[in-house]
Amino acid sequence: KNQVEQSPQSLIILEGKNCTLQCNYTVSPFSNLRWYKQDTGRGPVSLTIMTFSENTKSNGRYTATLDADTKQSSLHITASQLSDSASYICVVSASRTYNFNKFYFGSGTKLNVKP
Amino acid sequence: DGGITQSPKYLFRKEGQNVTLSCEQNLNHDAMYWYRQDPGQGLRLIYYSQIVNDFQKGDIAEGYSVSREKKESFPLTVTSAQKNPTAFYLCASSPRDSLYEQYFGPGTRLTVT
Repeated sequence: KNQVEQSPQSLIILEGKNCTLQCNYTVSPFSNLRWYKQDTGRGPVSLTIMTFSENTKSNGRYTATLDADTKQSSLHITASQLSDSASYICVVSASRTYNFNKFYFGSGTKLNVKP
Repeated sequence: DGGITQSPKYLFRKEGQNVTLSCEQNLNHDAMYWYRQDPGQGLRLIYYSQIVNDFQKGDIAEGYSVSREKKESFPLTVTSAQKNPTAFYLCASSPRDSLYEQYFGPGTRLTVT
């Protein structure tokens, strides 16, 4: 069964601290993995996207890693800011046909950065 | 939120009434999607469309209907047959030459009482 599991469900950290969010998946055939940031009441916004051959990708203070062998990904946030408070969603895309990709969504990690 | 707009942002309806959620995109994307988001759950696919005048059921299509008469528009109707319609609804789109890209709209919060 194709699934995406994220941990932890929620996380509270102090401003300026680092944190790491986890994503494990069983999706096949794997196409790519994307991390989204979703502010409360808003649509998700893409942070990074990685294909099978990529191990690490950074976007400012956000660094995503991918281990395609163990089917695990992590999102590391450095020097957190209050504006990082949001839900972070891991999405894995399965390549089904030449003209359609199926997307599998994790339930997200809700991050709360406190001053 | 890119070039995808959803309206209204908040919608309130009485039980038993049909309601239509709007989704418009000016990105010239071929594919469009509707998702439902509930607390503690991942996004679930309701319907998707890869081309004008064609659409396919997703994982939870019961109680919903869509149309795709124009490339830029993909409205979703929540019918009275949908048992638990209260949710946050997200529209997304993808370009044909990059189907793993997905851009989301700002969402519509529907509350049915």
